[in-house]
Amino acid sequence: DIQMTQSPSSLSASVGDRVTITCRASQGIANFLAWFQQKPGKAPKSLIYAASNLHRGAPSKFSGSGSGTDFTLTISSLQPEDFATYYCQQYSSYPLTFGGGTKVEIK
Amino acid sequence: EVQLVESGGGLVQPGGSLRVSCAASGFTFSDHYMDWVRQAPGKGLEWVGRIRNKANSYTTEYAASVKGRFTISRDESKNALYLQMNSLKTEDTAIYYCIRGSYSSAWYFEFWGQGTLVIVSS
Repeated sequence: DIQMTQSPSSLSASVGDRVTITCRASQGIANFLAWFQQKPGKAPKSLIYAASNLHRGAPSKFSGSGSGTDFTLTISSLQPEDFATYYCQQYSSYPLTFGGGTKVEIK
Repeated sequence: EVQLVESGGGLVQPGGSLRVSCAASGFTFSDHYMDWVRQAPGKGLEWVGRIRNKANSYTTEYAASVKGRFTISRDESKNALYLQMNSLKTEDTAIYYCIRGSYSSAWYFEFWGQGTLVIVSS
């Protein structure tokens, strides 16, 4: 199975900050990497697919990059509605696997 | 507008069975792969399984933790996705999400339902 490791597991940031979350795969997955946002008590929402493609409806302040084993999700200017938990997920091979999540909290 | 509405969750005893459903609308159901993902209380996301589309003969894939106990099926006439869960264990307690896939070199998760809660407890 491909293990997905996110870092950090949590972070505190201020409104307006630029935030970067890292996801590392235990083996190469090309660009078959997605990012999701989940707010408390809500279903996850899709943000990014194919490592860097923004889902329709996702705000352009979110961007993704990377290929192979190392990936990043960047929020250009953190807003109050962005405080949530973010997950990466690989869809290169079965079983499909998620990272452990990164909780973004208010400083 | 794509809509996915799960139902059928509830309380079931260990060793019991339950079927949860997902009603899909707003798209051509037979064209898309569909997945189930679950989330135990206070935990992260875990993929449960997938059923491919009509063009790929509705074949399935499962996570090792549920293989042999869970079965995914779909009814094209009703635009419905199902997850039949047998031999349930306390560790199957979770919110179960239905997901519609989309294709760009590979099938990825695009739309999520709101989830249905399954509690396995005596």
